[in-house]
Amino acid sequence: AQSVTQLGSHVSVSEGALVLLRCNYSSSVPPYLFWYVQYPNQGLQLLLKYTTGATLVKGINGFEAEFKKSETSFHLTKPSAHMSDAAEYFCAVTPRANNDMRFGAGTRLTVKP
Amino acid sequence: DADVTQTPRNRITKTGKRIMLECSQTKGHDRMYWYRQDPGLGLRLIYYSFDVKDINKGEISDGYSVSRQAQAKFSLSLESAIPNQTALYFCATSGPLDNEQFFGPGTRLTVL
Repeated sequence: AQSVTQLGSHVSVSEGALVLLRCNYSSSVPPYLFWYVQYPNQGLQLLLKYTTGATLVKGINGFEAEFKKSETSFHLTKPSAHMSDAAEYFCAVTPRANNDMRFGAGTRLTVKP
Repeated sequence: DADVTQTPRNRITKTGKRIMLECSQTKGHDRMYWYRQDPGLGLRLIYYSFDVKDINKGEISDGYSVSRQAQAKFSLSLESAIPNQTALYFCATSGPLDNEQFFGPGTRLTVL
């Protein structure tokens, strides 16, 4: 079965600094990969996804992620953090054959003024 | 209007009580899911349904049951609630050719 490991349950950056949230996955078949964001008291919202094609994926709010098969990674980045980016971020993986989506434990991002 | 709605949004109940959480969607999706979220554990799949006649157990189905009353409705039941079922519960939907899942706002359940 597939699984996801998110390195760092909490990440703190200063406003304007680079955001890097790490995600490594395990899957025996080619995966689809996702990053979701959860703002306080809300459901999950899709930031971006990798299915096929270009390995550098751009999402909403200036975020992007790169699928690196050799490293089994799908790290999320944003060049310049904004206060509104403070939220919890979840990486998820699903096999291409079905919707058995597995989530990482989440990384809480704090942005300091 | 929200595409995926959940009722109630908050519920406090006592050990041993039966409780039902409801999910409705207007996205026209066939596939629906129930997850629970616990701090430090992310989201874990409880049950999923690919159409009205299809119900499948997920990673943590023990102590839960579901009912797919219609394409748009998927309910989660706790037959006899216990304190370790205290969690945030999410319903989600997806289309047949799109692995992206769309989430409801969640139900915060507390079992005393």
